[in-house]
Amino acid sequence: SYELTQPPSVSVSPGQTASITCFGDELRNKYASWYYQKPGQSPVLVIYENTKRPSKIPERFSASNHGNTATLTISGTQTMDEAEYYCQAWDSSTYVVFGGGTKLTVL
Amino acid sequence: QVQLQESGPGLVKPSQTLSLTCTVSSGSIDSGGYYWSWIRQHPGKGLEWIGYIYYSGRTYYNPSLKGRLIMSVDTSKNQFSLKLSSVTAADTAVYFCTRGVHYSDTSASIIYYFDYWGQGTLVTVSS
Repeated sequence: SYELTQPPSVSVSPGQTASITCFGDELRNKYASWYYQKPGQSPVLVIYENTKRPSKIPERFSASNHGNTATLTISGTQTMDEAEYYCQAWDSSTYVVFGGGTKLTVL
Repeated sequence: QVQLQESGPGLVKPSQTLSLTCTVSSGSIDSGGYYWSWIRQHPGKGLEWIGYIYYSGRTYYNPSLKGRLIMSVDTSKNQFSLKLSSVTAADTAVYFCTRGVHYSDTSASIIYYFDYWGQGTLVTVSS
């Protein structure tokens, strides 16, 4: 079955750039999406189709997908960005796959 | 904007069937291009896709749950439902209903993502 691997945690200082990676075999041939989830809340879509941002998501969120790794980048990270982040992709055999999640700490 | 609301028992006994319904508002469940999904999250864990259903009734299920899972849709009520049989404590989770967007690019690669989520409902399996 297809798997997506994320680092368990990433730390960043306020105002700096945070990068969260998502590794999957030949992920470049798939389309990655990203979500954040704050405690007790539902996940929120922040990136779809590798690089596209929903209209309500701030421009500081961007993403790329090259090789076997998709990367979510948060520029000028704010304390409100502290959350769990999940990548997700579609695979022809497993269908919908989520990464295990990355806890972003802003301190 | 589209809103989704899960409903159903919060407590289910082991070996019984977990049944949940998702009511969609401010949007029609039979709009083309949308696949209505269930996703669950075990306590303190990550997200697990359960399955999705199209308004026509076509379904895709997580292979790990296939055999215990039945999803259905009622377009007249703008609802879709989940039934998971023979539950155990391992099925204790928060269950989210979501709207999935599904299309292909020019090379037939699939793009699939979830743009609207319900608030989630905790289902505990316990005697």
